Amino acid sequence: KQEVTQIPAALSVPEGENLVLNCSFTDSAIYNLQWFRQDPGKGLTSLLLIQSSQREQTSGRLNASLDKSSGRSTLYIAASQPGDSATYLCAVLSGGYQKVTFGIGTKLQVIP
Amino acid sequence: DARVTQTPRHKVTEMGQEVTMRCQPILGHNTVFWYRQTMMQGLELLAYFRNRAPLDDSGMPKDRFSAEMPDATLATLKIQPSEPRDSAVYFCASGPETGEETQYFGPGTRLLVL
Repeated sequence: KQEVTQIPAALSVPEGENLVLNCSFTDSAIYNLQWFRQDPGKGLTSLLLIQSSQREQTSGRLNASLDKSSGRSTLYIAASQPGDSATYLCAVLSGGYQKVTFGIGTKLQVIP
Repeated sequence: DARVTQTPRHKVTEMGQEVTMRCQPILGHNTVFWYRQTMMQGLELLAYFRNRAPLDDSGMPKDRFSAEMPDATLATLKIQPSEPRDSAVYFCASGPETGEETQYFGPGTRLLVL
C-alpha cells in the first residue's frame, strides 16, 4: 500500500525567503507525482506534474524534483510571497488501477 | 473556462438521513474521482470511475456509501444512512482519459452530520 509523507507539517517564513517542501513515498513504482495547492475552504489546484521518466518540472518560481529510486520529491519555492500562503499537497499515481495517494500536506505561511 | 462543479456546496443534516452529493465533470473528461478530506486523515480516495465504469471503490465504506455515474455529465455520491463521522469535505475531480494527467478539482461539498 502506497504511503505518502510530507515534512514539515507547517512552515512559517518571512517574505522573500527561498524554501523547500518535502514529500516521500513508500512504493517507487509510480506513474507520476503532482504538487497541488489548496487555499482555505477551496478545492485543489495543480501546480506541477512530474512524469515517472522526468527528474524535474519548473513553473515560474516553482521547481519540483523527483527521485523515484529514493522515493522523494521536493518542491522549491523561490522568493516567497504572502500570496504563496496555502497548504501544499503532494500526490502520487501508482498501482494497477492508477490510484492517487495524497500526503497530509504542508501548511505554509509567508509573513510580509 | 471549464470547471468541475459540485452541489450542494454545504450540507447540514441529522444522523440517519440520506445525503446525495452531485458532481459535473469537465466536458470531455473520462475519469472521475471522489475524495473525502478530514483534518485527521487528509485527502482519501473514495471512488474512481473511467468511462462511467467504477474502477476502484475500495476506499469507500460499502455498507452506507454508493457512487454512480448515470451519464457522462453527472456523478453522484450517496450516503445512507449518514453518521456524524461522515462529516468532512467531499471533493470531486475529473481528468482526461488516460488518468495519468492532472486532475481538476471541484470546490467541494462541506458536509456536517449532527
